[in-house]
Amino acid sequence: EAGVTQFPSHSVIEKGQTVTLRCDPISGHDNLYWYRRVMGKEIKFLLHFVKESKQDESGMPNNRFLAERTGGTYSTLKVQPAELEDSGVYFCASSQLLTGSYEQYFGPGTRLTVT
Amino acid sequence: AQSVAQPEDQVNVAEGNPLTVKCTYSVSGNPYLFWYVQYPNRGLQFLLKYITGDNLVKGSYGFEAEFNKSQTSFHLKKPSALVSDSALYFCAVRDRGGNNRLAFGKGNQVVVIP
Repeated sequence: EAGVTQFPSHSVIEKGQTVTLRCDPISGHDNLYWYRRVMGKEIKFLLHFVKESKQDESGMPNNRFLAERTGGTYSTLKVQPAELEDSGVYFCASSQLLTGSYEQYFGPGTRLTVT
Repeated sequence: AQSVAQPEDQVNVAEGNPLTVKCTYSVSGNPYLFWYVQYPNRGLQFLLKYITGDNLVKGSYGFEAEFNKSQTSFHLKKPSALVSDSALYFCAVRDRGGNNRLAFGKGNQVVVIP
């Protein structure tokens, strides 16, 4: 079974540019999450999709961040325009919708550097 | 709001010695608790979880963790550390309410010295 995949693995952009990150969850996982880790700090929750619907977007830092999950499969996270403080590692995770399934499975992350 | 504290930035241990990585949490009500490990250039890998039942939970690679409700702790342990255990370890908590979001600690770098 393939794990969670993320693309790209690294991205270096200039302040003011736009970047789109992609996440492909484990097949059949209806829950999809985005998290971010800024250097040396905690991994912070950004948002949670159930299928194509945003269940919880309380962690999104501001309206420069836009997440989508059209069709309930893969998800994209767009940052527009990027700022220096957006640098960090963006993790995607997925989990099953079934009751009793608790752990989230994480992808390798996308390292974003804004210069 | 839920939160996790991992008080030590780095844990150094000699190969073969017991390894302990500390974690305390804060959450409304009873928690779900998790440990994840991140090896260099890899994603977070699930190690173990506490949901209910026995306070001592066993996970992958010989790791275990003990849930202590009175001390709000969930320390990760391994009786005999291996050099290959050198990695970044994250403790996470979520509440039993409607949201699924995990709150993580800052992570502990574990260095196992040969």
